Amino acid sequence: QVQLKESGPGLVQPSQTLSLTCTVSGFSLMDYSVHWVRQPPGKGLEWMGRMKYDGDTYYNSALKSRLSISRDTSKSQVFLKMNSLQTEDTAIYYCTRGYGYTPFDYWGQGVMVTVSS
Amino acid sequence: EIVLTQSPTTMAASPGEKVTITCRASSSVSYMHWFQQKSGTSPKPWIYDTSKLASGVPDRFSGSGSGTSYSLTISSMEAEDAATYYCLQRSSYPFTFGSGTKLEIK
Repeated sequence: QVQLKESGPGLVQPSQTLSLTCTVSGFSLMDYSVHWVRQPPGKGLEWMGRMKYDGDTYYNSALKSRLSISRDTSKSQVFLKMNSLQTEDTAIYYCTRGYGYTPFDYWGQGVMVTVSS
Repeated sequence: EIVLTQSPTTMAASPGEKVTITCRASSSVSYMHWFQQKSGTSPKPWIYDTSKLASGVPDRFSGSGSGTSYSLTISSMEAEDAATYYCLQRSSYPFTFGSGTKLEIK
């Protein structure tokens, strides 16, 4: 069955780099895109970027200078790296499958990242 | 960037009441998609391609619209429908979400 699971540090210091991993199962990264979406506490959803099934990436222009998405297909993992973190980057970070039965049909449970010293 | 404006921001409905949530796009989009999110959980696909119900979604839900104006309608509100609903456009990058409509039961 399709699953996605985010992992990474719960606490990051300001100005440091965030590294998150999305481990997927039940489908191949060479067949489906994976997107990253974040949600600050009590706020709405923000699309961050995507890793396409062919390895192509696309980023939200608001984050483009700080964001990098990569993958390891042999491990079924997609990676997010974002540098120069600030307190406003505190959020739940989700990975989601791009389009299967529907757009964003499966989501991970999310990982809460707090930016604080 | 296409900005999606949802209204209302919050609302409360009585059981059996009809509910309509709107999503207006700053530029025309091909389709609108909707997600339901309950507190402490990940969003769930709810309505896709404007009017198609995702698996398991009750048929009291419907979606409609075109161009820059879309809506999600509940024909008869039930307690389990209390949640936050987000619209999403993926017609052009960057994909964007509406700011959400929090729907409560009276």
